[in-house]
Amino acid sequence: AQKITQTQPGMFVQEKEAVTLDCTYDTSDPSYGLFWYKQPSSGEMIFLIYQGSYDQQNATEGRYSLNFQKARKSANLVISASQLGDSAMYFCAMSHLGGFKTIFGAGTRLFVKA
Amino acid sequence: NAGVTQTPKFQVLKTGQSMTLQCAQDMNHEYMSWYRQDPGMGLRLIHYSVGAGITDQGEVPNGYNVSRSTTEDFPLRLLSAAPSQTSVYFCASSSPGQGATGELFFGEGSRLTVL
Repeated sequence: AQKITQTQPGMFVQEKEAVTLDCTYDTSDPSYGLFWYKQPSSGEMIFLIYQGSYDQQNATEGRYSLNFQKARKSANLVISASQLGDSAMYFCAMSHLGGFKTIFGAGTRLFVKA
Repeated sequence: NAGVTQTPKFQVLKTGQSMTLQCAQDMNHEYMSWYRQDPGMGLRLIHYSVGAGITDQGEVPNGYNVSRSTTEDFPLRLLSAAPSQTSVYFCASSSPGQGATGELFFGEGSRLTVL
């Protein structure tokens, strides 16, 4: 069975600094996708970044990058130059390759301090 | 673009009542799914569908039924509501397949309270 673990219930970061949100996963499937989603206090779910299990390079999207370490089964999200608007809940997720049966971790609440 | 539309946004039920959460998407996505979100537990997959006429159970299917008669619609039925089903429910869709990331497009969520 697949499993996603986020061990940081809450994180604080100073505005303009970088922050890493941890995510580890477990699967016996060689083909999978890893995702990060953001949920602001307004409640909507926002897709941030994707990494496929066969992708050789770490994914980047603007200020977001995914630190993919396949052997360690980790997929940490790095947010550079944090902004106040980054304060939100962040979820790591995993699916079978192509997007089937996406499961989520428990989430990390990020607080950005001015 | 409407995207994924969920109704109702809020609902209060009494224990034992039944109801249906509606979900519709206009993106011609093959894949649709229902999640519930509870504090400290993230989003848990209830049921999913890979196409019209095909559904399967997720992580927490008990107490919920689904059907998929069209590509657009994927309703979630609570046959006899229980207080443990108090939660925020999200419907999501995606277009999986070779070359696709499979990112999920979410509805706005439905907050259900069972008294």
